[in-house]
Amino acid sequence: GNSVTQMEGPVTLSEEAFLTINCTYTATGYPSLFWYVQYPGEGLQLLLKATKADDKGSNKGFEATYRKETTSFHLEKGSVQVSDSAVYFCALSDNGSNTGKLIFGQGTTLQVKP
Amino acid sequence: DAGVIQSPRHEVTEMGQEVTLRCKPISGHNSLFWYRQTMMRGLELLIYFNNNVPIDDSGMPEDRFSAKMPNASFSTLKIQPSEPRDSAVYFCASSTRTSGGAANIQYFGAGTRLSVL
Repeated sequence: GNSVTQMEGPVTLSEEAFLTINCTYTATGYPSLFWYVQYPGEGLQLLLKATKADDKGSNKGFEATYRKETTSFHLEKGSVQVSDSAVYFCALSDNGSNTGKLIFGQGTTLQVKP
Repeated sequence: DAGVIQSPRHEVTEMGQEVTLRCKPISGHNSLFWYRQTMMRGLELLIYFNNNVPIDDSGMPEDRFSAKMPNASFSTLKIQPSEPRDSAVYFCASSTRTSGGAANIQYFGAGTRLSVL
């Protein structure tokens, strides 16, 4: 079945460091891919998405490129801030099933220190 | 739009009591999802509805859990009787199900933090 695997956390960085959180997936068909972010005490919110191969999603300085050849959707940011400290979830949807269901990875905690 | 609204935000109860969590999805959304989040198990999908009909409840842990969606603007998740291991944050999310494979963005509520003593 479809699945998402993320790198284990926590990831601890200093402010202004470069961030990469790896995400790989297994899926049949042509899923859409997402990154969600969860700030402390809040629900998940969409950070960015990509709907087809080679698409690049971007938002708030974060980017991720849909790589079908490597089945990956790694999240990157050139310079992190303390306010980016949160849990990041990679997810995919199965466009073929049309159920609206998302498959989430286990989440990666990011801690940014000043 | 007010977003997905969940109530209560916090619930503390004693083992054996009935607990009811409530969710109001975004108006116009036709899919609704209930999740549970714990440190040990992460984010788990419990059940989801399309057009008020339960589609997949395979994630519901056991018969003590039940969910209903009597109309497009309201859903409940009930635990009866509750146990300490049910302590978790429960999230509700809604989305618009579209034909043709459009990206299905889910919008999450702020969650209900449940503590069963």
